[in-house]
Amino acid sequence: GQQVMQIPQYQHVQEGEDFTTYCNSSTTLSNIQWYKQRPGGHPVFLIQLVKSGEVKKQKRLTFQFGEAKKNSSLHITATQTTDVGTYFCAGLGNTPLVFGKGTRLSVIA
Amino acid sequence: DVKVTQSSRYLVKRTGEKVFLECVQDMDHENMFWYRQDPGLGLRLIYFSYDVKMKEKGDIPEGYSVSREKKERFSLILESASTNQTSMYLCASSSGGRKAFFGQGTRLTVV
Repeated sequence: GQQVMQIPQYQHVQEGEDFTTYCNSSTTLSNIQWYKQRPGGHPVFLIQLVKSGEVKKQKRLTFQFGEAKKNSSLHITATQTTDVGTYFCAGLGNTPLVFGKGTRLSVIA
Repeated sequence: DVKVTQSSRYLVKRTGEKVFLECVQDMDHENMFWYRQDPGLGLRLIYFSYDVKMKEKGDIPEGYSVSREKKERFSLILESASTNQTSMYLCASSSGGRKAFFGQGTRLTVV
C-alpha cells in the first residue's frame, strides 16, 4: 500500500537555527498536507499543497511539493521556542490520508 | 468553531473488556477516521469511513471494529482489550480531500 516516509525522526536545534523535515511517498500524490502537533496536543492542519512544484510560505515556514508530486519539505527559518512540536506530512493518493511518522522538533533557547 | 469531540480524554480498562471510543463531529463531514499514535510509530490508520454505514480497514484493523450509524458519529470498538492496545487514539474528520480536523485524543490504558 501507499507509504509516506518522513525524516529525520528527531531534530534538536538552537533557537535561531533553521530546520527542515522531508517527506517521500512511494506513490504519486494528489495533494500533500502538513500538520503540527504541540506536546500534549492533537495534530492541527498547517497547509495543503496540490500543484506540482508548488511552494507556499507562512511567515517563517516554507512548504514545497516536488515536481513529481512524490516528495515534500517543510523548512523553518530562524526557529523559535514556539516551533516546538512534531510535524507530520500526510499524503492523499488512492487511499485516505497516510501520515508520515513525524519529525519531533526540540528548540534549545 | 468546528469541532471533533472524543468522549473521553483518559480511559483505563481491564484486559478482556469490550471498549467503546466515541467520536462526534459537527461539520457535516462525510469522511471520518480512527488513528492510533504510539511513540516512534507516528499516526497509524485503524479504520475509516466515507459515508454512513460504510467502513474500510486501514493499516492496523486487527482487534478493532467500527460503527457509523449516523453521519456525525464514528465509534471505535475494542472487542476484547489487550495490553498492546494501550495507546493514544485520535479521531479525525474531513470533507473530500481537504484538511482533516482531529479530536483531542483518548489516552487508553489497558491493565
